[in-house]
Amino acid sequence: KQEVTQIPAALSVPEGENLVLNCSFTDSAIYNLQWFRQDPGKGLTSLLLIQSSQREQTSGRLNASLDKSSGRSTLYIAASQPGDSATYLCAVITGGSYIPTFGRGTSLIVHP
Amino acid sequence: DAGVIQSPRHEVTEMGQEVTLRCKPISGHDYLFWYRQTMMRGLELLIYFNNNVPIDDSGMPEDRFSAKMPNASFSTLKIQPSEPRDSAVYFCASSLDTRLGQSWETQYFGPGTRLLVL
Repeated sequence: KQEVTQIPAALSVPEGENLVLNCSFTDSAIYNLQWFRQDPGKGLTSLLLIQSSQREQTSGRLNASLDKSSGRSTLYIAASQPGDSATYLCAVITGGSYIPTFGRGTSLIVHP
Repeated sequence: DAGVIQSPRHEVTEMGQEVTLRCKPISGHDYLFWYRQTMMRGLELLIYFNNNVPIDDSGMPEDRFSAKMPNASFSTLKIQPSEPRDSAVYFCASSLDTRLGQSWETQYFGPGTRLLVL
């Protein structure tokens, strides 16, 4: 059974810092991995999707990397801003199934 | 497109009552998913549909839960009878299959329905 772990569970940083959020998964036979953002009381917004054949994806100040063999993904946020404050979740689709497995998320606070 | 639409946004009901949650996916999307999110268990997939057909309902917690998708633009998740432990945020999401059935692309989530069962 696929298990997804996100570390740290919570993070508080001053504005301007570069951040790394971690996601690890136990079964490396994945189809893709997706990073989401969830604001309080809202639904999830997809940030980046990495296919199993890819190593990384970039969107603006966000960069997500994938290392299937080690079962890890990182989300890098450059020059963090207060507007980045949210919970960030990663989810993997494991081979042979369309069922995503989500991590519990990293709650990020960026203070001015 | 307005995105995934869910209704109601909030629902407060008493134990034993029937609850019906509704979802309108993004037009043209092949897949529809129902999730439940709680503090204790995080985000869990309950059931998903492909072209209106339920594919996997292994995440549905009990027979009290049922889901239907009568057409490509509408789905319901019903809880009957509801219990306090069903209190959670229920999300609907949709996606477009662009990889010949191998996987799906980005999932788009609705705003969720906050359910409180007293």
